[in-house]
Parts: sequence; structure tokens; C-alpha cells
Amino acid sequence: RKEVEQDPGPFNVPEGATVAFNCTYSNSASQSFFWYRQDCRKEPKLLMSVYSSGNEDGRFTAQLNRASQYISLLIRDSKLSDSATYLCAGYGSSNTGKLIFGQGTTLQVKP
Amino acid sequence: EPEVTQTPSHQVTQMGQEVILRCVPISNHLYFYWYRQILGQKVEFLVSFYNNEISEKSEIFDDQFSVERPDGSNFTLKIRSTKLEDSAMYFCASRVGSSGKNIQYFGAGTRLSVL
Repeated sequence: RKEVEQDPGPFNVPEGATVAFNCTYSNSASQSFFWYRQDCRKEPKLLMSVYSSGNEDGRFTAQLNRASQYISLLIRDSKLSDSATYLCAGYGSSNTGKLIFGQGTTLQVKP
Repeated sequence: EPEVTQTPSHQVTQMGQEVILRCVPISNHLYFYWYRQILGQKVEFLVSFYNNEISEKSEIFDDQFSVERPDGSNFTLKIRSTKLEDSAMYFCASRVGSSGKNIQYFGAGTRLSVL
């Protein structure tokens, strides 16, 4: 099993829709997880961090389920500007701060 | 807002040539990283650096790669003899501390094209 795994999509949704992405991880020692947003050929930019059960910021909600080893990202009321690739990442167990990324989930929000 | 800066934004080189990719991490950060992303693939960890030494490196980071912090601000990645398969985006990242809650901030990347 890959350390961090995501459905690559693409997810095509209309404006205003609610969309959810899941990410599974295999290293049960991981304590901290992150959702990054990546626009085409740009750097990952932090969207949300998830340390305990969950985090909410405006239209975005992240949940962590340690028992099932997955993290989710929910986007409500999608905007055209939400179109991007969403990367799930977790710190490895080595404690050096190495981030392990999933392959990303592509979201296309259409008018 | 402080940011990680990388230069150049695009580097074109011939196979077998040496390249140096430069990064200026955020000024009070102590932990530094290089990642790469081949077009269409995921972001992959290369190396982590703390207290002037490598703390972890991946299998990708072989003898052709080296990192250095030559002064108090720059953090460089050198590829000694580039191969075609080194063509990728290279991202530098830094974070302030070692807590799992410390976030890594990424630079805009250097696109390396090996011809």
C-alpha cells in the first residue's frame, strides 16, 4: 500500500456544489497531515492542517479518522477559483519533517 | 508575508552539465528541504537539512546530488552531472521548528530542463 494515496480524479463539479476528497495513509505513526493546493506548474500552498479530529476554515473542512487512517477535505459552495489540484501530505515517521505527498486530486469547477 | 525564494525560475542545461539551484528560506526557519516533481507526477522528497547537515535523504538523492548552506541565508541543491530524467520542478521548503504542527512553506520552484 502506498504511504499516502488519493483518487486522482478529475472531479468535475458545477459552481455551488459540495465536493469531498479522501486520502488514505499507511503509516500509523503519522501525527500531522496537511492539505495543500497546487495550481498548474506552481508550488504547493497550504490550505489546511489537520492534527486532531478536524479543522474548519470558511468553506473548507478537513477531517482526520485515525482508526480508518484517512483524511478528508470537504469544499462547500465551490467557486470557479477552487479549480486546482489538491495534495494530501503527512509527515513521515522519521521526525525529520519529511513530507510524504499523495499524487493529488484534480478539481474542475464549471460554470 | 515572508516567503521562500528560489532562483532561477527556469534552468535549461545540457546533459552531463552541473547545475546549482538556489533557495533563500524564510529567515527564522531552521529546517530546510528539497523536493522534486516530475511533470504529471507527485511531489517527491529529496533531502532534509538541519544544523548544517543532512538529516534524511531519499533514494533519489544519490551521489550526483549535494546540498549546502554556504552562508546564513542561502540553501543550494547541486546536481553534478545532469541526466535527462532530472528534468522536473524542484521545490525548496523550510519550516521554523521540528514540531509536527510546524508548517512547511514552499518556494515557487525552479523548472529544470535537461536537453
